[in-house]
Amino acid sequence: QVQLVETGGGLVKPGGSLRLSCAASGFTFSDYYMSWIRQAPGKGLEWVSYISSSGRITYYADSVKGRFTISRDNAKNSLYLQLNSLRAEDTALYYCAREMTTVTATYYGMDVWGQGTTVTVSS
Amino acid sequence: QSALTQPASVSGSPGQSITISCTGTSSDVGSYNYVSWYQQHPGKAPKLLIYDVSYRPSGVSNRFSGSKSGNTASLTISGVQAEDEADYYCSSYRGSSTYVFGTGTKVTVL
Repeated sequence: QVQLVETGGGLVKPGGSLRLSCAASGFTFSDYYMSWIRQAPGKGLEWVSYISSSGRITYYADSVKGRFTISRDNAKNSLYLQLNSLRAEDTALYYCAREMTTVTATYYGMDVWGQGTTVTVSS
Repeated sequence: QSALTQPASVSGSPGQSITISCTGTSSDVGSYNYVSWYQQHPGKAPKLLIYDVSYRPSGVSNRFSGSKSGNTASLTISGVQAEDEADYYCSSYRGSSTYVFGTGTKVTVL
């Protein structure tokens, strides 16, 4: 079945780095745009970044621009998020999600979500 | 990047219809037909209910409907049921290839 599984979260000190991964299965990964979204404890959803199906186009929220890097490996059906210069306010559950936009059609919505991986930034 | 504004809570009795508003600006909701809605039960990942303002993905109940007028989008739940008790979030394209989510609304079924 269509599935996304995030890994790589953990406890890291302020200023540290972490790399999140998202393994996709059950669909043609290389056809779809993908996004990362986060949710701080007890708070709402915050869009973080998205990447085009080819990986050539990437965009970021102002809150993470210059610190986070999104990438993908279509041969491995995997999405990544490199988190650098982490701050306490980056503490959150990080979800990867499949965008409905593909190489041939544009729609606005994220129709498949993983269960998330938790990032905690604390000294 | 300020969030879209949603009411903190909305409630209704079983069988009633309820509407959740999502207010943005002329830079996001008002300028694009790119609004989506998500349902999130406690401890679960969000689920897409509506995309492109008013379209339902396959498998989503037709009790959920979306619309937009000016800078405000709306999600209506017709005949609300106990299992609809959850948090709901809107989202919009904001231009410059960025997205924004709403503040979230807790729906309580009385």
